[in-house]
Amino acid sequence: SYVLTQPPSVSVAPGKTARITCGGNNIGSKSVHWYQQKPGQAPVLVIYYDSDRPSGIPERFSGSNSGNTATLTISRVEAGDEADYYCQVWDSSSDHVYVFGTGTKVTVL
Amino acid sequence: QITLKESGPTLVKPTQTLTLTCTFSGFSLSTSGVGVGWIRQPPGKALEWLALIYWDDDKRYSPSLKSRLTITKDTSKNQVVLTMTNMDPVDTATYYCAHSQESGSCYDYWGQGTLVTVSS
Repeated sequence: SYVLTQPPSVSVAPGKTARITCGGNNIGSKSVHWYQQKPGQAPVLVIYYDSDRPSGIPERFSGSNSGNTATLTISRVEAGDEADYYCQVWDSSSDHVYVFGTGTKVTVL
Repeated sequence: QITLKESGPTLVKPTQTLTLTCTFSGFSLSTSGVGVGWIRQPPGKALEWLALIYWDDDKRYSPSLKSRLTITKDTSKNQVVLTMTNMDPVDTATYYCAHSQESGSCYDYWGQGTLVTVSS
């Protein structure tokens, strides 16, 4: 089955840039979606189809995808960005199933 | 405005069957491409995709749980039901249902989730 690997944690100072990676075999050939989850809340979609932002998501959130790594970038990090972040793909090569990454805890110092 | 809400038991015993209902509004599960999926999250752990049902009744399941899961829809009631057999304490988790606009896409709207504890 397809596996998505994320770093367990990323720490960043306010105003700096956080980069969260999502590794998978030839992930660049798939569409990657990103979710933000704050404690006690349901996940919220922040990036879809690699780099598109849903309405209401700040421009500080951006995404890229190439080769074996997709990246979620949060620019000018704010305290309110502290959360868990998950990547997700649709694996069309294996029974058309959905896969979530292992998750990354972003801590704002 | 799309909303989803999960309902079902908060406590089940080991070996029992869990039945969860997702009641939604703001969209129709008879619209081409639309799907409703189930995702769970054990306490302190990552999200795990379980199953999804599409507008045309196509169903997809997590390979690791396929033998235990059944997903159905009642379009007239705007509901999707997930059953999971042979529950075990490791199945203790918050269970979410979520909306997908098209096949292979993202989950753009989520329910609030419901915590299910498996214990004797």
